[in-house]
Amino acid sequence: QITLKESGPTLVKPTQALTLTCTFSGFSLSSSGVGVGWIRQPPGKALEWLALMYWNDDKRYSPSLKSRLTITKDTSKNRVVLTMTNMDPVDTATYYCAQTPYGSGSYTYWGQGTLVTVSS
Amino acid sequence: DIQMTQSPSTLSASVGDRVTITCRASQSISSWLAWYQQKPGKAPRLLIYKASSLESGVPPRFSGSGSGTEFTLTISNLQPDDFATYYCQQYNSYSTFGQGTKVEIK
Repeated sequence: QITLKESGPTLVKPTQALTLTCTFSGFSLSSSGVGVGWIRQPPGKALEWLALMYWNDDKRYSPSLKSRLTITKDTSKNRVVLTMTNMDPVDTATYYCAQTPYGSGSYTYWGQGTLVTVSS
Repeated sequence: DIQMTQSPSTLSASVGDRVTITCRASQSISSWLAWYQQKPGKAPRLLIYKASSLESGVPPRFSGSGSGTEFTLTISNLQPDDFATYYCQQYNSYSTFGQGTKVEIK
C-alpha cells in the first residue's frame, strides 16, 4: 500500500523560508522511473505544480518559481524535502506531495495535504 | 510555459447526463495529459493519464480523448458521486494544471 504524508509548519512569517517534508511508504525512490512531486492549491483556487524529484536525482522546477525552490531526497529515509524561500501571503496554500510512477508525470498517489498560512 | 485552458468553468448537470469538459493547451503536448477529480477538502484523484488511458479502479463511465492541443473528458451517465471539480494537467514540458471545472447539480 502506497502512502504519502506532508509535514511542516502551519504558519510562517513573510520573508521566511518554508521547509516541507514528504514521508512516504510502499515504494522506493530508488526504483527506476519513480518520482515524487509537490503541488499546491491556494484556498478556493486551482492546483499549481511546483517541483518534481526523480529516482535518478533529476529535478524539475516550475519556471515561475524556480529561483525560490529547492527539492532534495533522502532515499534511505523515504523522504522528499521541498524548501521555498522568501514566503509571501500569496503563498498561503495547501501543499501536496504526490507520486508519479514510471516517470510519467501524472500523479497516481497523493498525500492528504498540509495547509500553510503565511502571515505576520 | 504551456498554458492550459479548461471550459466551461462551471457545468450544471443532472444525474444520468452525459457531460464533456474541454482542455486546450497553448502548444502541442502530444498525449501527455491527465485528468483529476477533486472533492472539497480532499486530494485530487487521478482519472485518466496519457489523454485516454483509464486509471485502475476508475469507473468506465469516465473517458478521455484528444491529442496535440485539444482534449476532452467525458462522463457518461453522471452519478451523484461525480459532482466535483475536475482538472486537466499537462506533463509534456514541466507540468501545468488547468483552472478547473466544477460540475454541480442542476
